[in-house]
Amino acid sequence: AQTVTQSQPEMSVQEAETVTLSCTYDTSESDYYLFWYKQPPSRQMILVIRQEAYKQQNATENRFSVNFQKAAKSFSLKISDSQLGDAAMYFCAYSLVSGAGSYQLTFGKGTKLSVIP
Amino acid sequence: GAVVSQHPSWVICKSGTSVKIECRSLDFQATTMFWYRQFPKQSLMLMATSNEGSKATYEQGVEKDKFLINHASLTLSTLTVTSAHPEDSSFYICSASSSPHEQYFGPGTRLTVT
Repeated sequence: AQTVTQSQPEMSVQEAETVTLSCTYDTSESDYYLFWYKQPPSRQMILVIRQEAYKQQNATENRFSVNFQKAAKSFSLKISDSQLGDAAMYFCAYSLVSGAGSYQLTFGKGTKLSVIP
Repeated sequence: GAVVSQHPSWVICKSGTSVKIECRSLDFQATTMFWYRQFPKQSLMLMATSNEGSKATYEQGVEKDKFLINHASLTLSTLTVTSAHPEDSSFYICSASSSPHEQYFGPGTRLTVT
């Protein structure tokens, strides 16, 4: 079974600074997707960024980028120029590309990010 | 982007009654829908996966007779909590997907059982 581990229950960052959230996962598959979701106080889950395992290039979305280390099974999220609106719970997630359960997301326990003005 | 709605957003019911939560994909056809439960300050726990026109697949430990899921069309799935008890109070989130790398979440439903 696949597992996703987020070892940082809480993190804080000064506004305009950079922060990195860690995520490791365990899988025997070679092809899969990795995601970072944001859950603000409204509790609406928002997709931040997505990485396909067969793509070596790290995904980026504006101020958000990932460091994907496939061999190490590591998938960290870097938030640059942090803004107050970035304060939220961040969940790392994994899904298979094909086969049974390919649509299912396996979530980590989350990291609560606080942004200090 | 794709929009998923949930109704109601908050419901209070008495112990022993049943409550239905609707999940709709508004602008796309969802071949698969998921139901999650989230306790305060915890992660999302997958309850079940449903495909249109077929029976839902429940995760281990989830009572299928208590949490009835119906996926009648490509845009609608419902979760019915039967004979609700206070321990069923939680935040329920649905999501909808048409491909493995795209899953869109509803805004969630807060259920309080008194």
